[in-house]
Amino acid sequence: DTGVSQDPRHKITKRGQNVTFRCDPISEHNRLYWYRQTLGQGPEFLTYFQNEAQLEKSRLLSDRFSAERPKGSFSTLEIQRTEQGDSAMYLCASSGDFLGELFFGEGSRLTVL
Amino acid sequence: TQLLEQSPQFLSIQEGENLTVYCNSSSVFSSLQWYRQEPGEGPVLLVTVVTGGEVKKLKRLTFQFGDARKDSSLHITAAQPGDTGLYLCAAFYGQNFVFGPGTRLSALP
Repeated sequence: DTGVSQDPRHKITKRGQNVTFRCDPISEHNRLYWYRQTLGQGPEFLTYFQNEAQLEKSRLLSDRFSAERPKGSFSTLEIQRTEQGDSAMYLCASSGDFLGELFFGEGSRLTVL
Repeated sequence: TQLLEQSPQFLSIQEGENLTVYCNSSSVFSSLQWYRQEPGEGPVLLVTVVTGGEVKKLKRLTFQFGDARKDSSLHITAAQPGDTGLYLCAAFYGQNFVFGPGTRLSALP
């Protein structure tokens, strides 16, 4: 399977714990996006990488969120000191073309108790 | 205020009926995309429209981009239960893709 893969698919954690999600994009894609989606809403932009450079980060993203893409391959999204409001589906997408199609992974669903 | 507005928010129809959903904005876009998302999955691209007034057909789905490139519509002919899902419009804005809130369609047998 050469699509976008995300891990874990589901994560249940207690408030205050740290969590990390991993995204493996389509290998030849240099653009990688993270989105957050809550129930009944469209995906909300979090951050964007072109190769290893993080080019944009949403102002809605608190300092508890950090993302990396070392070597321009896989990416990780870490949430520190989780809060119940962080419960959502975290989607990763990659793209090979400027303004081109976004290929999404199946998402990582986070539940904070 | 969202950059992209979608209507209706929810739509429940019977198999065989026709329907239209809308995506509107006050901004002009160079292109607009439509995605469909099924429960527990990521969105999947249906179509990209790039020219004002453009009409694209994908089997029973017809997509139109407004002349002013501010709005778009998706028309489904003879809906089937397999059309059930969340329909999202998206546009490139700044350096990223912005999504509308979606129309949740339920096509009942």
